[in-house]
Amino acid sequence: EAQVTQNPRYLITVTGKKLTVTCSQNMNHEYMSWYRQDPGLGLRQIYYSMNVEVTDKGDVPEGYKVSRKEKRNFPLILESPSPNQTSLYFCASSFTVAGEQFFGPGTRLTVL
Amino acid sequence: ILNVEQSPQSLHVQEGDSTNFTCSFPSSNFYALHWYRWETAKSPEALFVMTLNGDEKKKGRISATLNTKEGYSYLYIKGSQPEDSATYLCASLTGTASKLTFGTGTRLQVTL
Repeated sequence: EAQVTQNPRYLITVTGKKLTVTCSQNMNHEYMSWYRQDPGLGLRQIYYSMNVEVTDKGDVPEGYKVSRKEKRNFPLILESPSPNQTSLYFCASSFTVAGEQFFGPGTRLTVL
Repeated sequence: ILNVEQSPQSLHVQEGDSTNFTCSFPSSNFYALHWYRWETAKSPEALFVMTLNGDEKKKGRISATLNTKEGYSYLYIKGSQPEDSATYLCASLTGTASKLTFGTGTRLQVTL
């Protein structure tokens, strides 16, 4: 089944404790991105990747890192999480930047 | 228009009503316009990807039109059903960018 998976789905952590949210797609998509969803603000892009080893900042990259060592994986890293990073996170992928985005199930993160 | 704007913010209709929403986006360097349907507790799913001025797309009772010169798109739902209840997102891609910019969505509730 073609899909985008994210793990974990839910996470409660404390300020400063490094965490990684994994994202994997099995559709051979070149374009992958991370979004955060906050009430009243819509989906805002954190980082995106056009292909392996090619990543770039989105609209709200501060406090986040990503890597794209393999085509299928695009992990989101929070080196030192803070409470303002409490949010719902979505990973998405598509064949190209203009193509329809396939979204993962979302990760709800709470930073205390 | 610098950002992607959607109206109305929310809408409450009765079963059988037809309805429509608006997405306004920057018209300069237009490349693509996406519509997504986002049900509560699920992930956004693509409805349409539109690229040509005057484009019209249809999927069942849902259709969309695109005017790239004036920077707007309409999404129409004919004969709304309770299962149409969701948030409808649009996203714009400009030729100079490598990322989609999402609007904040129109939340539709259809009651019996």
